[in-house]
Amino acid sequence: QVQLQQSGAELVKPGSSVKISCKASGYTFTSYDMHWIKQQPGNGLEWIGWIYPGNGNTKYNQKFNGKATLTADKSSSTAYMQLSSLTSEDSAVYFCARGRFITIAAISTWNWFAYWGQGTLVTVSS
Amino acid sequence: DIQMTQSPSSMSASLGDRVTITCQASQDIGNNLIWFQQKPGKSPRPMIYYATNLANGVPSRFSGSRSGSDYSLTISSLESEDMADYHCLQYKQYPYTFGAGTKLELK
Repeated sequence: QVQLQQSGAELVKPGSSVKISCKASGYTFTSYDMHWIKQQPGNGLEWIGWIYPGNGNTKYNQKFNGKATLTADKSSSTAYMQLSSLTSEDSAVYFCARGRFITIAAISTWNWFAYWGQGTLVTVSS
Repeated sequence: DIQMTQSPSSMSASLGDRVTITCQASQDIGNNLIWFQQKPGKSPRPMIYYATNLANGVPSRFSGSRSGSDYSLTISSLESEDMADYHCLQYKQYPYTFGAGTKLELK
């Protein structure tokens, strides 16, 4: 079965960086892009961007340019998001979610966003 | 960016009630919209794809519709397990944008 297992909660200091992981299992990691979503306490959801592990291509919400960096390791089927220059505004739960099925011939949005990680709480505090 | 104006921000309803939540898009998004349900401490779950298509395993009391730039999620007869937050997401244009969410509570 498809599973996305995220790394544990992080308590980090302002100005530092943090790297969150999302380990995929139960499907071919390089066949789907991976999306990242932010949720601040009591707030709505915010789309950060996606990475396609098949070739490393990325697409970011411009708001997160310079803040978030998405990478993927095909050998371990793990997607990563690094957040830099952290401030209190970055305190949130971050989710990974499996996205589109991508082949040379086509891209399919069938059942996308059906699988999510459990979320990683990042708390920025001195 | 496309703004998704979601209403109401919160509502309370009784079991058996018909409930409707709406998202209004600031630009044309066609039917490129997903509705999600999120329970406390859990990840979102897609309920409706492409504005009107029920996701796998979602009860038939849920439905999605569109009228122009207004997108609605309707629960025909509210059950206790439906108490949750609901979010819409547009993916017509980057960046993808969510509505602010609706908190559905039991009256």
